[in-house]
Amino acid sequence: DAGITQSPRYKITETGRQVTLMCHQTWSHSYMFWYRQDLGHGLRLIYYSAAADITDKGEVPDGYVVSRSKTENFPLTLESATRSQTSVYFCASSDRRGGGDYEQYFGPGTRLTVT
Amino acid sequence: QKEVEQNSGPLSVPEGAIASLNCTYSDRGSQSFFWYRQYSGKSPELIMFIYSNGDKEDGRFTAQLNKASQYVSLLIRDSQPSDSATYLCAVGKKSSGDKLTFGTGTRLAVRP
Repeated sequence: DAGITQSPRYKITETGRQVTLMCHQTWSHSYMFWYRQDLGHGLRLIYYSAAADITDKGEVPDGYVVSRSKTENFPLTLESATRSQTSVYFCASSDRRGGGDYEQYFGPGTRLTVT
Repeated sequence: QKEVEQNSGPLSVPEGAIASLNCTYSDRGSQSFFWYRQYSGKSPELIMFIYSNGDKEDGRFTAQLNKASQYVSLLIRDSQPSDSATYLCAVGKKSSGDKLTFGTGTRLAVRP
């Protein structure tokens, strides 16, 4: 199906384990984003990517690693999970069309619990 | 001062009324403005965007932008219980690439 998907949808892991959250989009959008959403903080940008092999830090990058070898995939890795990384993670994508539009479209989210 | 501010609510309106959701932003260089709707446990869904001063209408939704006052609003006419959700305001500018800054959202409750 076309669109943006995330996997897994739910994940429980233990402190110190490595976890990778997957994001896949079929629109060939150039930009992709990872956000976390926590009560009281809203959506906070973790990392973003302007194109394959181009990534940059957002507001809260510590403890996370990203890569983007293909346009359609943007995995997020928690190298050593901590309880403070318990959150809902959203992937989004966007593209410039006509020079002005860059609306972001979100995936369904991954609810991660670190015990 | 937060970059994008919204009243957290809840904003409670009766069915059929007009719901007015407000958002202020601090960066005068902001050029694009978006409203997302987020149902509980779901992902944000884009419902409106506006780039120029004035009003933009789409069905029951109207976005209003006043760059001089650094203010953007969303009006929902004939509110329905199905409109009950959290509404997120997001702001962007070309110099930031495609990055958006989100407010923390206003929770809207439409009473039947």
